[in-house]
Formats: sequence, C-alpha cells, structure tokens
Amino acid sequence: QSAPAQPASVSGSPGQSITISCTGTSSDVGSYNLVSWYQQHPGKAPKLLIYEGNKRPSGVSYRFSGSRSGNTASLTISGLQAEDEADYYCCSYAHLNSYVFGTGTKVTVL
Amino acid sequence: QVQLQQWGAGLLKPSQTLSLTCAVHGGSFSGYFWTWIRQPPGRGLEWIGEINHSGTTNYNPSLKGRVTFSVATSSNQFSLSLTSVAAADTAVYYCARRRISGILINAFDLWGQGTMVTVSS
Repeated sequence: QSAPAQPASVSGSPGQSITISCTGTSSDVGSYNLVSWYQQHPGKAPKLLIYEGNKRPSGVSYRFSGSRSGNTASLTISGLQAEDEADYYCCSYAHLNSYVFGTGTKVTVL
Repeated sequence: QVQLQQWGAGLLKPSQTLSLTCAVHGGSFSGYFWTWIRQPPGRGLEWIGEINHSGTTNYNPSLKGRVTFSVATSSNQFSLSLTSVAAADTAVYYCARRRISGILINAFDLWGQGTMVTVSS
C-alpha cells in the first residue's frame, strides 16, 4: 500500500489560485471517489477541508475545492491568503477497509 | 463541543510497548470509528487503524501483528497498544474520529491534540 504522490511544494502569490495533485492507483484514488484533504499548520493537528472528493464540511471556506480525474485527485485553493501557508495531505479509502494518506505538500504564500 | 483528549507515555526504550488512550468528551461514542494516525518528525501522516464502540477493528496491513485497539464504552475511551517498538515508531500519534454512517463517513473530522512518542535507548 503505497502513499499517493503529492508534489513536495507548491507556491503562489496572494490572490492567486493553486492546485495540489494527489496521484494514487486504481486500488485507491482511482477506484473510489472517497478522497479527503487536510490542512496542517506547524505543531497543530490536521484539519479536514474536503471529503468524498469535492464536499466541504460546515465552516470550511469556499476557497477550497476538490476534484478527481482517473487516479489523480486535486485540491484547489483560490484567492490564496497568507493563512493558507501550511502542509496539505490527501487521504484515500483503499481496499479492505483501510485508508492511505498522500505524501504531503507544503504550500508557501509568496 | 466534542473534544478528543489523549495521553500516554512519551519516552520508550526499544522493544517496549507503546500505550496511548483517547477520551471522547461532550459527544456520542457510538456511531463512529475511532482512529489512530501517526506522523514521524518532519514526515507525512500514516493511518494506523480504527475501532468502533462494539470492538470491530480495521488495521494498516503494515502494522498488523504489533497493533491492538481496545474500547472502554463506559468511560468513552479507546486505546492503542503497539508492541516491540523501535526508533522507526518515533512519531506524533493522533486519535481521530470517522463516522460510520451518513455524511463524512470516509473522512476524519475531529482530531486529538497529538502525543509525541520517542523511542530511544
């Protein structure tokens, strides 16, 4: 069970949009539209941003959106803000009632 | 407001057993899978596994055999036991919640504060 691959880092200027990819396999990301995304600030617990590929929990900004195509899920942050600087992780349901997190992406706001 | 509070020993020697407990405050204990996730220093998240109120468990295949989960429904607590620890088990360990039915069933919507566990001789 390998971790879905994410770019190590992504950067953007305030107000811009950025997209973080999460590339898995046909056994996880590609088989189930059950990818969730998490934001983690240094020293803090992760926070749920997106679930089931493209749904936002109550209280999460509309600036965060999710999508999937084939074996790759994506998180888009629009209107980038300084507070968005953090680490981001995807997580996919995998077979046999297990879950696998992506490798993680550090987002830098220039 | 529902909160998860976790605790356990923070420093272990190789071959010892890691034991952590997480308490659910202010919310229901049934209807969820109670999950353990860890994060080695400077690295990514790893799903360890989960248990529900009736004791049904799911494990990360890479850790199965060393990991045991338990629940104490009378006190709304669940625990993690990891045997034969090594330096590679050094990590921040988080407890988290996943719903069994309805919305948010495949996501972790509530997390504990994390416990740093260091394995060193």
